Amino acid sequence: DAGVIQSPRHEVTEMGQEVTLRCKPISGHNSLFWYRQTMMRGLELLIYFNNNVPIDDSGMPEDRFSAKMPNASFSTLKIQPSEPRDSAVYFCASSEGGQRGYEQYFGPGTRLTVT
Amino acid sequence: AQSVSQHNHHVILSEAASLELGCNYSYGGTVNLFWYVQYPGQHLQLLLKYFSGDPLVKGIKGFEAEFIKSKFSFNLRKPSVQWSDTAEYFCAVNSPNTGRRALTFGSGTRLQVQP
Repeated sequence: DAGVIQSPRHEVTEMGQEVTLRCKPISGHNSLFWYRQTMMRGLELLIYFNNNVPIDDSGMPEDRFSAKMPNASFSTLKIQPSEPRDSAVYFCASSEGGQRGYEQYFGPGTRLTVT
Repeated sequence: AQSVSQHNHHVILSEAASLELGCNYSYGGTVNLFWYVQYPGQHLQLLLKYFSGDPLVKGIKGFEAEFIKSKFSFNLRKPSVQWSDTAEYFCAVNSPNTGRRALTFGSGTRLQVQP
């Protein structure tokens, strides 16, 4: 299996622009997670989906952030408008159902820089 | 709410030294515990996990961890570190009782192994 796939790997954008991050989970996994990693706050959950339905979005910073999962093999995280404080590495992870669903597999991350 | 504490923020060791990284969590219910490793510039990889059973778990690359329920601890150990173990190590927890699959991470420990 190719593992969790994220694109782009690096994104540099100017403040105010829209940014869209993409994730393809491992085939057969039914839970998908978006995390953000910063020096100040470490690794924190933004949102997670189970069977394409958002379960917990309490970590989404504000209305500028939105996430969708239109089908089992694709998810997006959008920031509009972007701000310099959004600069971070954004990780997507997926997991199976059942007991093994508590073990998550991470993608390579998208390093976002907002200038 | 769950929280995870990693008290060692930066550890410097010489090759062949023994390693122990502390992890304490705060949650009174049943937990699943994980250690992830992040090599420089790479994504998180699972080192080992504890769901139930033998509290001493062995992972990849010679790492092991011991779950001590009475101390709410899950410390990571390795008898003899190598230069290639230089990385950041994250302890994480989720809880099957609540069905919350999202991980709560500690702040991480940066390990530097000197040749």
